[in-house]
Amino acid sequence: SQTIHQWPATLVQPVGSPLSLECTVEGTSNPNLYWYRQAAGRGLQLLFYSVGIGQISSEVPQNLSASRPQDRQFILSSKKLLLSDSGFYLCAWSVLNRRYTEAFFGQGTRLTVV
Amino acid sequence: AQTVTQSQPEMSVQEAETVTLSCTYDTSESDYYLFWYKQPPSRQMILVIRQEAYKQQNATENRFSVNFQKAAKSFSLKISDSQLGDAAMYFCAYTGTASKLTFGTGTRLQVTL
Repeated sequence: SQTIHQWPATLVQPVGSPLSLECTVEGTSNPNLYWYRQAAGRGLQLLFYSVGIGQISSEVPQNLSASRPQDRQFILSSKKLLLSDSGFYLCAWSVLNRRYTEAFFGQGTRLTVV
Repeated sequence: AQTVTQSQPEMSVQEAETVTLSCTYDTSESDYYLFWYKQPPSRQMILVIRQEAYKQQNATENRFSVNFQKAAKSFSLKISDSQLGDAAMYFCAYTGTASKLTFGTGTRLQVTL
């Protein structure tokens, strides 16, 4: 069965420190991968998505970057965190075709920048 | 660019009653997929129902059904026989040929006794 792992669940980082959030998918190949950020009580803002290794689409210019070094691995990074980077980060993957269509989400990472 | 609009920030329904959540979207594509996701306080995203645009028949999943109006670009979710466990944030989402998955701003559903 397909599963998605996202870690860590909670993270407290000082302003100016680097960030690396990792997401891995099991049980499928060549998935579409996504990073979202969600402010408290708000909607999901798409940050990055990837349709293949090394292919990254950026939706919002900001202090973050994403990489996909392997087919089922998606990493969200920052060189220097800002207070405004605080939020709830969700990784997701999808497979879209005529026979099977669904998007699956990780458990999320609550990031607090202090 | 594809956009998804949920115009109801909050809705309330009495237990056992029916409620409809609205969603509209904008796209120039003819082949795409639409979803409704539920996010309880745990913040885990749970798929409620999905609709393929090439299918004319409205999707149903037990107490959940959609009213998909392709020409009007409308995709509403109807919850019948509402239960306390239905209380959550509900998000409408769209994805098309570019595989970009876009969400609306969400509707918070309260279920009262």
